Amino acid sequence: AVMTQSPVSLPVTLGQPASISCRSSQSLLYSDGITYLNWFQQRPGQSPRRLIYEVSKRDSGVPDRFIGTGSGTDFTLKISRVEAEDVGIYYCMQGLHWPPITFGQGTRLEIK
Amino acid sequence: QVQLVESGGGVVQSGTSLRLSCEGSGYRFSGYGMHWVRQSPGKGLEWVAVIWYDGSKTYYGDSVKGRFTISRDDSMNKLYLQMNSLRVDDTAMYYCARDRGVRAVDLDYWGQGTLVTVST
Repeated sequence: AVMTQSPVSLPVTLGQPASISCRSSQSLLYSDGITYLNWFQQRPGQSPRRLIYEVSKRDSGVPDRFIGTGSGTDFTLKISRVEAEDVGIYYCMQGLHWPPITFGQGTRLEIK
Repeated sequence: QVQLVESGGGVVQSGTSLRLSCEGSGYRFSGYGMHWVRQSPGKGLEWVAVIWYDGSKTYYGDSVKGRFTISRDDSMNKLYLQMNSLRVDDTAMYYCARDRGVRAVDLDYWGQGTLVTVST
């Protein structure tokens, strides 16, 4: 499945919301009723860190300002109020239709 | 706590070989599938290979198929990536990642990466 993210670059003012879109070329809804879509954050100079799995479930330690939504083929990662520590690149990933596992091309979030 | 530590990267010439290692700790290594994912400088994430939790199956991305081999040694809690016939476009940071998924791949923990640079 091809994963398409937008925008590629996202300048945001501190304290303002941000939204990243991810679209899959195939539905990520499995027959068990779960939709398998993950979001990762990669801060500068760091390895990727999983933020959200199964569309909307936050990993331990992830602030509740990160909100994942969507279904089927269309997904969104929202940050309710951007903080300085949120700077980095965000990737969506699907692990349902594989091989290969596929990632979106990434969205670079920066502070305006 | 779960930790994954990669090693073995370096600068090599095109056409040569290199073996990467990834040591897992803080969890039952033998119970999880493991992946390699790479990231070329300034680029996005590219999936490289996977090995089943019991080593029974392996799959590769098209760009490395026939040149790279993934393996594991559960007695050492280690994952490996044997890279042969290296090309300049294999230059990347290589990450190992744990797969906690059952029905779908779910990469919940990643290592810090090891850098491979292939020169002409």
